[in-house]
Amino acid sequence: AQRVTQPEKLLSVFKGAPVELKCNYSYSGSPELFWYVQYSRQRLQLLLRHISRESIKGFTADLNKGETSFHLKKPFAQEEDSAMYYCALSRWDTGFQKLVFGTGTRLLVSP
Amino acid sequence: EPEVTQTPSHQVTQMGQEVILRCVPISNHLYFYWYRQILGQKVEFLVSFYNNEISEKSEIFDDQFSVERPDGSNFTLKIRSTKLEDSAMYFCASSGQGGSGEKLFFGSGTQLSVL
Repeated sequence: AQRVTQPEKLLSVFKGAPVELKCNYSYSGSPELFWYVQYSRQRLQLLLRHISRESIKGFTADLNKGETSFHLKKPFAQEEDSAMYYCALSRWDTGFQKLVFGTGTRLLVSP
Repeated sequence: EPEVTQTPSHQVTQMGQEVILRCVPISNHLYFYWYRQILGQKVEFLVSFYNNEISEKSEIFDDQFSVERPDGSNFTLKIRSTKLEDSAMYFCASSGQGGSGEKLFFGSGTQLSVL
């Protein structure tokens, strides 16, 4: 069975500090990994996905198959990064987006 | 950017009543989904829908649940006889393509409260 683990419920940092939101997954096949973000009172929205290897709003995430991790990183946090972050996994062999989500990490960036 | 629209934003109902949650996916999307999030828990997949039929459903999606695309724009989730444990935020989502790496567009959710 697929499982996504986000060990931290809350991560509190000061503006300008580096940020790393941890995500580990459990899946025997080749997963598709995503980070979704939910800003206060807004909808879930895709932040980035590992297949596109892009950097969005300064965030990056590298899929480490050896450690089964997909940690989200940003070198210098901004106050507007404060939000709920969800790591999610999708099986490559299904044609449909059955995402398995982690429990989420709330990032709080203080001035 | 186009958006998925959900109505109502908040629905309160009595246990045992039927509720219908409504969603308008992005107009040219072909794949539709319902997810839910019980307070304090993770977002969970309920069902995916394509070509006017369910393509996959989770074990949560029992006989009390049904989905329908009654016209070319709406996508509904019906709960026939609500239970207290159905109280949750329900998210509709859609995507243009069905691949596992595709981007999902989520609605802002309907908060269902069963009393």
